[in-house]
Amino acid sequence: NAGVTQTPKFRVLKTGQSMTLLCAQDMNHEYMYWYRQDPGMGLRLIHYSVGEGTTAKGEVPDGYNVSRLKKQNFLLGLESAAPSQTSVYFCASSSETGPKLYNEQFFGPGTRLTVL
Amino acid sequence: KQEVTQIPAALSVPEGENLVLNCSFTDSAIYNLQWFRQDPGKGLTSLLLIQSSQREQTSGRLNASLDKSSGRSTLYIAASQPGDSATYLCAVKETSGSRLTFGEGTQLTVNP
Repeated sequence: NAGVTQTPKFRVLKTGQSMTLLCAQDMNHEYMYWYRQDPGMGLRLIHYSVGEGTTAKGEVPDGYNVSRLKKQNFLLGLESAAPSQTSVYFCASSSETGPKLYNEQFFGPGTRLTVL
Repeated sequence: KQEVTQIPAALSVPEGENLVLNCSFTDSAIYNLQWFRQDPGKGLTSLLLIQSSQREQTSGRLNASLDKSSGRSTLYIAASQPGDSATYLCAVKETSGSRLTFGEGTQLTVNP
């Protein structure tokens, strides 16, 4: 049981390049999230998904797109990277149903992205 | 807009000391509150989750309390150890949605 995994772990991009970050979870969770963590700003929600085929905007969605084609995967795309997107990106998942309804969020190890 | 504040931003204590980390939030309409631990360069590990109807949760040497009406939570760590050194984050889940709003964390150093 791997929990939440993210690929890649590190990436360096040049301004204007594109890339996709992959998040996978094996806990059969309905909800998945993408956060970014920046010094002095804490963790902020970029986009989230409440189920396969659905996505929704979070607090800081501009410059990012997401897709949830399979329940276990949540992709975060940067179409034209900018230096302001240099950050550590975390994926998380949670179950909003079930007998306990605890809604605990489980996080992946993060992707450290630098945009030059 | 929900705001979460953690005080102090950094804390250094000798090994064996009992300590309290504080978390406050501005909107008391929360669904639950979660405490996380983050080691340098690593992801977040969930420590404790308290539902809005609960007053406290315990796991080993950790005890988290919640006073929803006053917008406060504390994380109590008993008999601290050097391995407890990490950044501790609290986050609240708002009733109206599934997002978490995070504090900026308390960086804890436990000295041998």
